[in-house]
Amino acid sequence: DGGITQSPKYLFRKEGQNVTLSCEQNLNHDAMYWYRQDPGQGLRLIYYSQIVNDFQKGDIAEGYSVSREKKESFPLTVTSAQKNPTAFYLCASSPGTGFTGANVLTFGAGSRLTVL
Amino acid sequence: RKEVEQDPGPFNVPEGATVAFNCTYSNSASQSFFWYRQDCRKEPKLLMSVYSSGNEDGRFTAQLNRASQYISLLIRDSKLSDSATYLCVVALNTGGFKTIFGAGTRLFVKA
Repeated sequence: DGGITQSPKYLFRKEGQNVTLSCEQNLNHDAMYWYRQDPGQGLRLIYYSQIVNDFQKGDIAEGYSVSREKKESFPLTVTSAQKNPTAFYLCASSPGTGFTGANVLTFGAGSRLTVL
Repeated sequence: RKEVEQDPGPFNVPEGATVAFNCTYSNSASQSFFWYRQDCRKEPKLLMSVYSSGNEDGRFTAQLNRASQYISLLIRDSKLSDSATYLCVVALNTGGFKTIFGAGTRLFVKA
């Protein structure tokens, strides 16, 4: 079955460490996204990528980095510069990035990061 | 003011009840509208798109009022399994990617 795989599901990090969250999709979607979700808040966009080797900052990109070397993969690195990294991180993909109803987002199961 | 606003709830209803959620959006460039469902500690999943003429999927009915800039979701004959958080989502036509998520409305359906 096609879908999005995120790993790890749970991750604990010490302050000052960088961590990388994996996101792989086999939906043949062009666009991929990273969101962060905090309790009581809507999802906030960190980065997105419309095609391989290209990505754009979202609303809260500071302290994060991404790469898109393959269509299927869009890893997110949470760097030590991110001051409040404890959150639920969701990767998503869509056929494109247009505003039409055809470009609905499909999400992975998420990665829960806790900074100790 | 948030670009997409929802009543956070929680809504506590008995099985079989009808419950309605509203969502307001502020950007007139809003073009596409969706309701997603998110179970506790899980990922959001698309429940239904919202069309200008309104649309229905079984017990779920979605309505869009562009003039007043609000979207609604009606759930009839609530089931225990409907307990979840319902996210209102708006996609903007701004020439680039801009999809905005509401914070969600929590629903508890009780036996």
